[in-house]
Amino acid sequence: DQQVKQNSPSLSVQEGRISILNCDYTNSMFDYFLWYKKYPAEGPTFLISISSIKDKNEDGRFTVFLNKSAKHLSLHIVPSQPGDSAVYFCAASAQGAQKLVFGQGTRLTINP
Amino acid sequence: NAGVTQTPKFRVLKTGQSMTLLCAQDMNHEYMYWYRQDPGMGLRLIHYSVGEGTTAKGEVPDGYNVSRLKKQNFLLGLESAAPSQTSVYFCASRGTYSYNEQFFGPGTRLTVL
Repeated sequence: DQQVKQNSPSLSVQEGRISILNCDYTNSMFDYFLWYKKYPAEGPTFLISISSIKDKNEDGRFTVFLNKSAKHLSLHIVPSQPGDSAVYFCAASAQGAQKLVFGQGTRLTINP
Repeated sequence: NAGVTQTPKFRVLKTGQSMTLLCAQDMNHEYMYWYRQDPGMGLRLIHYSVGEGTTAKGEVPDGYNVSRLKKQNFLLGLESAAPSQTSVYFCASRGTYSYNEQFFGPGTRLTVL
């Protein structure tokens, strides 16, 4: 049972445009959500997070939106840059839980 | 400050062989995790530890064992490797108050023939 789903395995965006990565979850107990970025041959690195008490969190070019009623979150990158080409993982955790549940990942490619 | 390191970076095993993957962190983190990454499957939790001397099963623990004898180290063992264990293995750690922001090592690519 995949509790966190990223239904788009890949996404291609032109440099300078907006990239939107989506993530759905099924567990209503999840209350904290994170996005990780992964380059080839490296470990994932934390990018941005959001608590369930918020519906938006912004950090520079990166914004995460949370729609609790739809159990959906999205990561917006604007403007997209070539260095943003990577695999992005969505992750979620429940209050008191000591672990994360990850989605399958979306490979983002920024074209010049 | 090296963060999270993993040894070895690459390894090829034959079916039935055993090996141990070592993870070390120098951030004094309480929590440590072992994941495997497979195409289309994302990161799946194998085992984790909430402190020295403790271990717990994750999502896919079968065929693996772990030990956390020292706070800074978390070992992942494969007693009898199988081709299905061919994967990239990542170790991660986090502090008690970082609310699940985990820091990952660079990974170990394991091939079982």
